[in-house]
Amino acid sequence: AQSVTQPDIHITVSEGASLELRCNYSYGATPYLFWYVQSPGQGLQLLLKYFSGDTLVQGIKGFEAEFKRSQSSFNLRKPSVHWSDAAEYFCAGAGSYQLTFGKGTKLSVIP
Amino acid sequence: DTAVSQTPKYLVTQMGNDKSIKCEQNLGHDTMYWYKQDSKKFLKIMFSYNNKELIINETVPNRFSPKSPDKAHLNLHINSLELGDSAVYFCASSQGGSGWEAKNIQYFGAGTRLSVL
Repeated sequence: AQSVTQPDIHITVSEGASLELRCNYSYGATPYLFWYVQSPGQGLQLLLKYFSGDTLVQGIKGFEAEFKRSQSSFNLRKPSVHWSDAAEYFCAGAGSYQLTFGKGTKLSVIP
Repeated sequence: DTAVSQTPKYLVTQMGNDKSIKCEQNLGHDTMYWYKQDSKKFLKIMFSYNNKELIINETVPNRFSPKSPDKAHLNLHINSLELGDSAVYFCASSQGGSGWEAKNIQYFGAGTRLSVL
């Protein structure tokens, strides 16, 4: 069965520090992968997506993610975190008309 | 202009009541979805409609009935509300067609927080 796993439930980083949020997937074929962000009380906003091609994808708000087939991973990174990045982050994989979400990683940012 | 809008934003009701949540998208998309986010933030798809036809119907109690009067609207009606229905419900939409990219990029509403007392 298709699945997406986010091993970290909660991560705390200092403002200005680098960030990496982990995501592992289990799909039979080439996966279509996404990262979404949910700010408190808000809906989900698409940060970036991977369908094919270049394995390093750039997204909005300075985020990037790297698809590594050998590790079944699609980790999200940001070189310098801002306090406004504090939110819940969801990795998702796509099947036909259906997104399967990981359980999310809550990011806290300390000054 | 909000792309995917849900109403109401908050809904507080008693057990046993019937309630509806409305969703509208102005993106011209063909496919719409309902997701449930539980208290642990886990998101799970409930339903999906493509051009007003039901294409995904996950294991959801039949007290939940989606209705799509046209492809821009997908409403969720819930009968006989139970405590366990308390959650945040998200509507989403995506472009139809055969292209994987268009089909799988989903745009989400801000959510409806349902509290059943």
